Amino acid sequence: EAGVAQSPRYKIIEKRQSVAFWCNPISGHATLYWYQQILGQGPKLLIQFQNNGVVDDSQLPKDRFSAERLKGVDSTLKIQPAKLEDSAVYLCASSRQAHPTDTQYFGPGTRLTVL
Amino acid sequence: QKEVEQNSGPLSVPEGAIASLNCTYSDRGSQSFFWYRQYSGKSPELIMFIYSNGDKEDGRFTAQLNKASQYVSLLIRDSQPSDSATYLCAVPANEDTGRRALTFGSGTRLQVQP
Repeated sequence: EAGVAQSPRYKIIEKRQSVAFWCNPISGHATLYWYQQILGQGPKLLIQFQNNGVVDDSQLPKDRFSAERLKGVDSTLKIQPAKLEDSAVYLCASSRQAHPTDTQYFGPGTRLTVL
Repeated sequence: QKEVEQNSGPLSVPEGAIASLNCTYSDRGSQSFFWYRQYSGKSPELIMFIYSNGDKEDGRFTAQLNKASQYVSLLIRDSQPSDSATYLCAVPANEDTGRRALTFGSGTRLQVQP
């Protein structure tokens, strides 16, 4: 079974520029998560989708971050405009459903550097 | 907002020893607990999941849960240099709703010395 795919793997941009990340979850997984992991910290949830609906975006900085999962499969996370503090690894994860015992599988992440 | 606390380490143990990693959590209502391993530059991968009080064993790994004291531990027996990584403790945001995204601790870095 193919894992969670993410692209690009690395991105360097200047502050105030825009950037977009793409994620393709494991086939058949209804739940998709975007996490932000700042160096030295654990991952922090940005947004959770169940199929193509948003379940939790309480920690998403909505003035600059947006995400969509139009057909309930792959997803895009966008930052516009980027700030220095957005430098982090952006991890996409998926699980079959949102049951507490369902394993979340993480993609390789996108490392963003904002200069 | 649930909180998960871990000692950042590094925890250094000799090869073959038992490594003990601890985690405390703020919400007494938390039911499920996860341990993830994260190698440097890689993404987290699930090692153990524990739901009930007591111990759960899987190979060299044992998770221990004490709900009364609100802590969960991970023991790694016969530690190997390949176990050197950051270990993340996590709990679901809200197990009674669909908000099952995980709240992670900051992780404990384990170093196993050959």
